[in-house]
Amino acid sequence: ETGVTQTPRHLVMGMTNKKSLKCEQHLGHNAMYWYKQSAKKPLELMFVYNFKEQTENNSVPSRFSPECPNSSHLFLHLHTLQPEDSALYLCASSQDLLSGERTDTQYFGPGTRLTVL
Amino acid sequence: LAKTTQPISMDSYEGQEVNITCSHNNIATNDYITWYQQFPSQGPRFIIQGYKTKVTNEVASLFIPADRKSSTLSLPRVSLSDTAVYYCLVGWAGNMLTFGGGTRLMVKP
Repeated sequence: ETGVTQTPRHLVMGMTNKKSLKCEQHLGHNAMYWYKQSAKKPLELMFVYNFKEQTENNSVPSRFSPECPNSSHLFLHLHTLQPEDSALYLCASSQDLLSGERTDTQYFGPGTRLTVL
Repeated sequence: LAKTTQPISMDSYEGQEVNITCSHNNIATNDYITWYQQFPSQGPRFIIQGYKTKVTNEVASLFIPADRKSSTLSLPRVSLSDTAVYYCLVGWAGNMLTFGGGTRLMVKP
């Protein structure tokens, strides 16, 4: 257990559905991240939040909408997805990005395996 | 961002020592070197981190030469459960977020 939980672990949705992925961290961290990992591809950083503020949007299509209501929770709202969006979606957290701490290790959740039909 | 280069894959046998080298020729003065391990369908897991010379923990050792343009992750006496993808990242804090392709280690009996 890394202290980062993700729900659901598996999700199958149609292209017209709306669903949300949830991430929660119990580590007292202030930075949270969404990554996408497609089959046999490197992890792709999608969004970064630090102290609830979005600090990075890595050119992600608008059909993915993140929400960070507090430092412990992160959501990824999904709507009108495409089959190529099927992937493992990983959430991570770290202490924070502004403290000047150079060894800001990320702790990852188990991921949500998303299949878009 | 410092770019990293690692072998795509490596094979080993149980009980052997495995060394995975990562090249990072344009590493910056402030950059740290971090290694993660990822099993299939799981998130990456932190293994070890260092800045220079040698770092050792209960899982692995990290060797960093004086010029810091490369680093070597050393896994002593691997077992089948060490079969995974190993990622080398270089940077610090908010800019250490780019994962490359990693090295796929296969440990055989």
